[in-house]
Amino acid sequence: AQTVTQSQPEMSVQEAETVTLSCTYDTSESDYYLFWYKQPPSRQMILVIRQEAYKQQNATENRFSVNFQKAAKSFSLKISDSQLGDAAMYFCAFNAGGTSYGKLTFGQGTILTVHP
Amino acid sequence: DVKVTQSSRYLVKRTGEKVFLECVQDMDHENMFWYRQDPGLGLRLIYFSYDVKMKEKGDIPEGYSVSREKKERFSLILESASTNQTSMYLCASRDSWRSGYTFGSGTRLTVV
Repeated sequence: AQTVTQSQPEMSVQEAETVTLSCTYDTSESDYYLFWYKQPPSRQMILVIRQEAYKQQNATENRFSVNFQKAAKSFSLKISDSQLGDAAMYFCAFNAGGTSYGKLTFGQGTILTVHP
Repeated sequence: DVKVTQSSRYLVKRTGEKVFLECVQDMDHENMFWYRQDPGLGLRLIYFSYDVKMKEKGDIPEGYSVSREKKERFSLILESASTNQTSMYLCASRDSWRSGYTFGSGTRLTVV
């Protein structure tokens, strides 16, 4: 069974600074996707970024980027130039191929606080 | 704008009641999912469906059932609500395993 672990229940960052959220996963699959989702106080889950395991290049979406270390099974999210609107719960998620029917396995979440 | 709509944002039900949580998507997605979200536990999969009338148990199906009579609608049923089912319930859909989920805005259920 796949597991996803977010070891940081809470993180904080000053506005305009950079913060990194950690995520590790465990799988025997070779073909899979990794995701970071953001859940603001409105509760609407928003896809932040996606990484395919076969791609060596780290995914980037504007101020959000990942550090994907396949051998170490690590998938951290870096938020640059943090903004007040980045304050949210962040979830790391994993999806293997095959017959998983697209089920995502989520980590426990990290609450990010942004200080002005 | 594509959407996953959950019928209720907040619900309060009594112990023993039968509870229906409704989810509708307008993206023609085949795969739909129900998760519950609890502090410190993240999101846990209750049930999912990969086609009309098809359903599969997730990681925590006990006390729940589902119904998918039409492609766009996936209902979660609490057969006899209990206080330990007080939680946030999130519905999601996706078209393939390579794409991310589209989530509904969640239903916060309180069982008293």
